[in-house]
Amino acid sequence: SQKIEQNSEALNIQEGKTATLTCNYTNYSPAYLQWYRQDPGRGPVFLLLIRENEKEKRKERLKVTFDTTLKQSLFHITASQPADSATYLCALFYNKLIFGAGTRLAVHP
Amino acid sequence: ETGVTQTPRHLVMGMTNKKSLKCEQHLGHNAMYWYKQSAKKPLELMFVYSLEERVENNSVPSRFSPECPNSSHLFLHLHTLQPEDSALYLCASSQDLSTGDPGGANVLTFGAGSRLTVL
Repeated sequence: SQKIEQNSEALNIQEGKTATLTCNYTNYSPAYLQWYRQDPGRGPVFLLLIRENEKEKRKERLKVTFDTTLKQSLFHITASQPADSATYLCALFYNKLIFGAGTRLAVHP
Repeated sequence: ETGVTQTPRHLVMGMTNKKSLKCEQHLGHNAMYWYKQSAKKPLELMFVYSLEERVENNSVPSRFSPECPNSSHLFLHLHTLQPEDSALYLCASSQDLSTGDPGGANVLTFGAGSRLTVL
């Protein structure tokens, strides 16, 4: 069955630096992959979607890449701010939408 | 607010109680979902409804009973739960049922969740 792996340990970075989060998957490449942000005590909020045939997608300070050879998606936040601190979930579609456990990002002033 | 409202936000219940979680979406979406989120685990898809018809039941124990009376409302009825059922229960909706078409119709809008504690 399809599995998604995200770093379970929190990522701590300094304000202003670029945060890079990793999403690896096994088996088949999905038709598309999504990234969500989740704040404590809240539901996930959709950020970006990248298709199977796209290498990169950008939205303001966010950038997502999708490498079907490596079976990996990278999520970048440039010029990170403390307000970016949250848990980031990746989700891929293979028959249904499957979520990773998420990586917690902490941006320190 | 996201347009998906869940009540109650917090619920504490004993193992013999009967309670219900409610979800309402104001987005005109056709598909609604229940997910379970436990600490440090991926979201677990429980039930999926499309146009008020249940289209997926992921081997969820019968002590969880969903109900979708119309396309805007979704309930999760709880009965004789176990302590391991304590979790954050998330409701979500999407324009249409998730498919391989990567259009915006497959983006999920989540509610804030109902934090359930079973004593």
